[in-house]
Amino acid sequence: SAVISQKPSRDICQRGTSLTIQCQVDSQVTMMFWYRQQPGQSLTLIATANQGSEATYESGFVIDKFPISRPNLTFSTLTVSNMSPEDSSIYLCSVLDSGGLHYEQYFGPGTRLTVT
Amino acid sequence: AQSVTQPDIHITVSEGASLELRCNYSYGATPYLFWYVQSPGQGLQLLLKYFSGDTLVQGIKGFEAEFKRSQSSFNLRKPSVHWSDAAEYFCAGTMKTSYDKVIFGPGTSLSVIP
Repeated sequence: SAVISQKPSRDICQRGTSLTIQCQVDSQVTMMFWYRQQPGQSLTLIATANQGSEATYESGFVIDKFPISRPNLTFSTLTVSNMSPEDSSIYLCSVLDSGGLHYEQYFGPGTRLTVT
Repeated sequence: AQSVTQPDIHITVSEGASLELRCNYSYGATPYLFWYVQSPGQGLQLLLKYFSGDTLVQGIKGFEAEFKRSQSSFNLRKPSVHWSDAAEYFCAGTMKTSYDKVIFGPGTSLSVIP
């Protein structure tokens, strides 16, 4: 299993500023994902971040708004840039542990962001 | 397009009653399927998953789910609901390739009446 921690757990930010969210995993993983969960909504994948390559963004998400770093196999950051109240969400880091018939996805506790 | 749908936005059941939460999927082939629960203010917890084989899958907390290929469904069931089961439930699916992603359904909010 993988244990994921995120920092900060929550934050209140002013519009126009940026926030960087950190995701730390207790084991080496190839695939990491960043999700957004808007209030009362389901999870939406922002991007897939693999170590050693550029992040792959889903439709509706762009690198300028959500730059991602993946410097090694246990760590990633997501930055929410030039924030607006619409960015108020829970941001979740997730990792995939798969091989053969094994497939497990683990989620971090989330970062609750409020933009005022 | 790949999708996971949950027809019921909100369900209310009495404590001790049985529960069934519906999930339908649309994939080109049989996906891996999951049910997650998210309690208020908590993270996501995996209840159970289906990869292949036995179509009735047992999970944690007394939950089970049945995969029905003919109906493209993966409904979650529990014979007797407890008040602590009140939460948001998400069905999710993915194709088992190295670079595929998990698609989440919109979620079903479960309320339990004492």
